[in-house]
Formats: sequence, C-alpha cells, structure tokens
Amino acid sequence: EADIYQTPRYLVIGTGKKITLECSQTMGHDKMYWYQQDPGMELHLIHYSYGVNSTEKGDLSSESTVSRIRTEHFPLTLESARPSHTSQYLCASRQAGTGNTGELFFGEGSRLTVL
Amino acid sequence: AQSVTQLDSQVPVFEEAPVELRCNYSSSVSVYLFWYVQYPNQGLQLLLKYLSGSTLVKGINGFEAEFNKSQTSFHLRKPSVHISDTAEYFCAVDPMNTGFQKLVFGTGTRLLVSP
Repeated sequence: EADIYQTPRYLVIGTGKKITLECSQTMGHDKMYWYQQDPGMELHLIHYSYGVNSTEKGDLSSESTVSRIRTEHFPLTLESARPSHTSQYLCASRQAGTGNTGELFFGEGSRLTVL
Repeated sequence: AQSVTQLDSQVPVFEEAPVELRCNYSSSVSVYLFWYVQYPNQGLQLLLKYLSGSTLVKGINGFEAEFNKSQTSFHLRKPSVHISDTAEYFCAVDPMNTGFQKLVFGTGTRLLVSP
C-alpha cells in the first residue's frame, strides 16, 4: 500500500482565496509530481521535483506554484484561486536510480472547487 | 512525442463476463507501457506494466495485457469481471531510455460492471 497522503481531500472556496494543497510521502522517494485531472481528459503533469530545492513546470501550464524544502513534502499553492482552477489534483512519487521501475505511487487526490 | 488513445470512454459489462479495454499508442521510439486503475474517490494504482521480455503481462486482480508492437497496442483483458472491478482504467506510455521521465496518459476508460 502506498504511503502518500494528500490534504484536504475536498475543498470549496471563493474566488481570490489563497490555497495550499498538501502532499506528503513516507517512502523516501526523491521524485514527486503534481497532476491535474479533469473528467474525460488525460492526466496532465503540472509540476515535478527530482529532489530537495528542485522544482520544474510540467507539460500543462498552471498558475500554481510548488516548493520542495523537505524530501517528504511537496505542497502546491494557488495565490488567487479562480473558477478555472476547479479540478482534481493528484500528487505522486516514485523512486529514483536503480530502484526506479517506472511505477508511480499516487495519493487519493484533492478535489478543488472554486466558486 | 508520444500519444495514447483509449477509444472507449465507457465500457458496460455484466458480472462474470469477459472484458477488453483497448489502448493504442503512437511513438517514434520504443516505449514502456502501463495500465493504472482508479477506484471511485481514490488515486491511481498500478495494475501492470510492460518493460521488456514476454509480451503477455499479468497484473493484479486477474488482469492481463498483451503488447503488440506491430499494431502499437496494449489491450487490457480480464476473463471474468467482478462488481468490484468498476473503476476508471488509464493506459500510459513512457519512452525508453529517458529514466521514466516522460510518462503520457490516455483519457481513461470507465468500466461499469453490473449484476
């Protein structure tokens, strides 16, 4: 069973609010990812990190930002939420190096609704 | 660039019937192939993967998939489904020799199993 946790699971907020989606993993994985998931669409990579103090933007442009101060923690922040940010956000991690078999471990997701 | 096509957005099937979920991909290089499953209100979980060797791959929960290089397909099959198999299934590809850095997901197929 994967040890990767996301909070909150569900969040409904008003336009203009700042929000942070938390993601933590206890597997010691160096590589962490944020995906955006909308119904009927493929998962889109919006941010990734290969280790502490390393963050990169993914394939899908996003107004969110991320940080990686500790190996186990990879929070995603929206400074000013808009209705277009309504979506499900999935956090994932995987091992690096020789232990990397390609498998991604996912959290249960954070479903964000911006009114 | 790679792309994944899951033509069936939804597949309804009766319990104990066989099922096949189709996945075709496009890539100019050799790829690794994955199937992930997402149960309601949960994150994604790896079902099976093809990295090399035998083209018939067995995964968890009685699922299997066959890699067909000439047809660029990686269809998922189960000989007898259960109600508990109701979920969203995602096919994904990752080009070889990139250290699993370029994973691309399909749009998913919703499997609906009824009694």
